[in-house]
Amino acid sequence: EAGVAQSPRYKIIEKRQSVAFWCNPISGHATLYWYQQILGQGPKLLIQFQNNGVVDDSQLPKDRFSAERLKGVDSTLKIQPAKLEDSAVYLCASSLTDGTNQPQHFGDGTRLSIL
Amino acid sequence: GQQVMQIPQYQHVQEGEDFTTYCNSSTTLSNIQWYKQRPGGHPVFLIQLVKSGEVKKQKRLTFQFGEAKKNSSLHITATQTTDVGTYFCAVPNSGYALNFGKGTSLLVTP
Repeated sequence: EAGVAQSPRYKIIEKRQSVAFWCNPISGHATLYWYQQILGQGPKLLIQFQNNGVVDDSQLPKDRFSAERLKGVDSTLKIQPAKLEDSAVYLCASSLTDGTNQPQHFGDGTRLSIL
Repeated sequence: GQQVMQIPQYQHVQEGEDFTTYCNSSTTLSNIQWYKQRPGGHPVFLIQLVKSGEVKKQKRLTFQFGEAKKNSSLHITATQTTDVGTYFCAVPNSGYALNFGKGTSLLVTP
C-alpha cells in the first residue's frame, strides 16, 4: 500500500511570511494527525482529524496555525505569519481509525527553516 | 495529558553490545506504543503493549510492559549498525491521541 505522502520536503522562508504544507494519508485511513518535531525532541501533536472533523487541536497555536481536511481525505497545514521558533519538521500521520491503540503511519515530513 | 520520561537520552554502544531504553509514567497507562526513527527519517511503528506484564519479541528486540502498567522497556540484544536511530515511546493523552516521549538516541559503532 502507498504510504503517507507529504509535500514539500523542504521549505525555507523568512519570518512573518506564510507557508502551507500538504498531506495525503493512506487510503481508507479515517484519522489524520499533524505533528511538529523540533530537533532533539519527540513529535508534538498539533491537530487530529477524524474524517473531516477536528478531534483535538488543543496544542495548535491558533493565532498563526490553521489546518483543514475539507473532504476527509487530504489535508493542509498553514502557518501565517511564521516565527523563528516554528523551525521544525512537520510530520503528517494517519491511522485506520481514531483511538490511542491504533498504529500511526508517518510521512517523510516537511523540514521548515525560518530565516 | 499523560507525560512520560524516557531514559537514557543518549546511548553509545559498540556493535554486539546490548541496549535498553526505559519509559516511565507517573500514572497507569492503558497501552503504550514504541516507534523508531532513523536519522533523517520519520517515526515507524514497532509495537503496542496492552496487558500488564506483557512481553513481546521481534527478532533481537524485546518489549516489556510493567506489572503496574506505569513503565515499559525496549531491549536490543547484540546491537547492529542498522539499529541506529531514536526510539520513542508514546502513551495516550487525555483525549484520543498519543503523547510521545523525548526519545532515546542510539549510536552503534562497528
